[in-house]
Amino acid sequence: KAGVTQTPRYLIKTRGQQVTLSCSPISGHRSVSWYQQTPGQGLQFLFEYFSETQRNKGNFPGRFSGRQFSNSRSEMNVSTLELGDSALYLCASSPDSTSYNEQFFGPGTRLTVL
Amino acid sequence: GNSVTQMEGPVTLSEEAFLTINCTYTATGYPSLFWYVQYPGEGLQLLLKATKADDKGSNKGFEATYRKETTSFHLEKGSVQVSDSAVYFCALMGSGGYQKVTFGTGTKLQVIP
Repeated sequence: KAGVTQTPRYLIKTRGQQVTLSCSPISGHRSVSWYQQTPGQGLQFLFEYFSETQRNKGNFPGRFSGRQFSNSRSEMNVSTLELGDSALYLCASSPDSTSYNEQFFGPGTRLTVL
Repeated sequence: GNSVTQMEGPVTLSEEAFLTINCTYTATGYPSLFWYVQYPGEGLQLLLKATKADDKGSNKGFEATYRKETTSFHLEKGSVQVSDSAVYFCALMGSGGYQKVTFGTGTKLQVIP
């Protein structure tokens, strides 16, 4: 089975721009979660989607949004980029988000905001 | 809410030394507990997990036991190798379904020959 894929792997943007990141989960997985990883804050949960519905949301401003398509692929969007949005964005998939299922992570998208 | 506290790093050990990375948690009910590892430039990989009290997760020589009485899930390995150098994350997923994963801050391990 192919793993979780994320595109692009690296991205450089300037302040004020917007960006869209993509995640393709493992085949058959219906839950996709997004995390932001920074040296200062560690791994912070952004949101989780299951069957095209957002089920959980972390404490991020409304500039951060996401969606999930019928094939379980997911995108996250960040509008009006700020310097502090520079981070590694990780996507993780699982068959479901019940407590017995671990999450499988993609390699991440490294976003740099200049 | 749920939280995970793990020991600060970095931890530097010589090859073949014994490793312990402490992890304690706060959660209601009976969460599942995980250890993930992140190698440089890569995403997180599940190292081991335990889903109920007294369960022992193990993989690649690493072990951790789910201790509900002390709300702990310490990671141990008897003899580390240079290839174990990575960042280790303790994490939990709350019980009751549809729960997000809460991660600790990560502990960087460096093993020197």
